[in-house]
Amino acid sequence: SQQGEEDPQALSIQEGENATMNCSYKTSINNLQWYRQNSGRGLVHLILIRSNEREKHSGRLRVTLDTSKKSSSLLITASRAADTASYFCATDNPGGGADGLTFGKGTHLIIQP
Amino acid sequence: EAGVAQSPRYKIIEKRQSVAFWCNPISGHATLYWYQQILGQGPKLLIQFQNNGVVDDSQLPKDRFSAERLKGVDSTLKIQPAKLEDSAVYLCASSSVRLRQFFGPGTRLTVL
Repeated sequence: SQQGEEDPQALSIQEGENATMNCSYKTSINNLQWYRQNSGRGLVHLILIRSNEREKHSGRLRVTLDTSKKSSSLLITASRAADTASYFCATDNPGGGADGLTFGKGTHLIIQP
Repeated sequence: EAGVAQSPRYKIIEKRQSVAFWCNPISGHATLYWYQQILGQGPKLLIQFQNNGVVDDSQLPKDRFSAERLKGVDSTLKIQPAKLEDSAVYLCASSSVRLRQFFGPGTRLTVL
């Protein structure tokens, strides 16, 4: 089953603008990660935020986490054509030794040149 | 550092046929995962190995899917017999550090 739900499902913006994607999840987590997937390729890890963190930055990426609302957002600033991809949030399972990830359905981001 | 290798990259089969996918993880990574990604959805975990032991296979359809990692390195995922709804991209990932997974390019399966 899908744990996270990204919003919006698709987003098209002009190059140079900021892109914001949201993710909601259902159960408690220890960590939340964001991944990028270019068309026909594997997933690339972008950033991990722990449940005791509220905000994290990495280059042009800014991630926030609100555990009370079970939601996270990914902000990409000064977007570039190369940012065109699908973006997924993924959560862990704090229940046991397994650490396979549960992914949302993703946001498809298109950067118009 | 070489990434996760998968083969074949593409496979087209008829329903009820069998198919196998191969994954070679990053050298030294003890943990290996297989995910299924249906078009328009996020990846879904099928099975997780720690060395050659299964950690989690709760979402693996065991009536038709099987996976092994005999020597704790390479892994194969098999579907027998395939159904139309098995059409998807099958992603392999590996990790040496908890929660830090590296994904391969995937195998795109089309079942006709």
